[in-house]
Amino acid sequence: EPEVTQTPSHQVTQMGQEVILRCVPISNHLYFYWYRQILGQKVEFLVSFYNNEISEKSEIFDDQFSVERPDGSNFTLKIRSTKLEDSAMYFCASSESGPRYSGNTIYFGEGSWLTVV
Amino acid sequence: GENVGLHLPTLSVQEGDNSIINCAYSNSASDYFIWYKQESGKGPQFIIDIRSNMDKRQGQRVTVLLNKTVKHLSLQIAATQPGDSAVYFCAETRDDKIIFGKGTRLHILP
Repeated sequence: EPEVTQTPSHQVTQMGQEVILRCVPISNHLYFYWYRQILGQKVEFLVSFYNNEISEKSEIFDDQFSVERPDGSNFTLKIRSTKLEDSAMYFCASSESGPRYSGNTIYFGEGSWLTVV
Repeated sequence: GENVGLHLPTLSVQEGDNSIINCAYSNSASDYFIWYKQESGKGPQFIIDIRSNMDKRQGQRVTVLLNKTVKHLSLQIAATQPGDSAVYFCAETRDDKIIFGKGTRLHILP
């Protein structure tokens, strides 16, 4: 079964440092997403990306965050200057088309656990 | 604000019994709902979905029921097994994203 892969699985970084989380979406998918989950809480939407541009973003996704699809396979999330409250599991996801279309599953990766100290 | 939420944070069920996990939503414009399962340390895994023009959909050992009148969604798991232990999230789609509810932890009693 095709899967979304994420690296690193765990990263520890000092407050103020830049972090890049990497994702390889499923190859024929066109929609890409980042979500985060603070320990013990629900999964929160950060950003969706389609056709090489952000299609939607949440309030969490402020100027410290950016996404990029640098080549045909990778999709990255950059946090420019990390804060303690950025500590969370970050999930990348992808889907063949927009999630409004039934039968179009959104697949999630296993997550990248970010710890900011 | 409108949100998707869950009634119970934890549900304990005897192995072999049926489990029913509930979800309330408040956005009457939502037209597509999904249940995800999340095991410890893993990403959300798609279980089953349902569109608003349906009130029931069945999968393998799972059934989703949608009651639009009271904005209620439920997930039924038949013959619950130890491998069903996880946190279950209902989610709705808004535009081109999924919004998750808070999650219910399903605990299987031996």
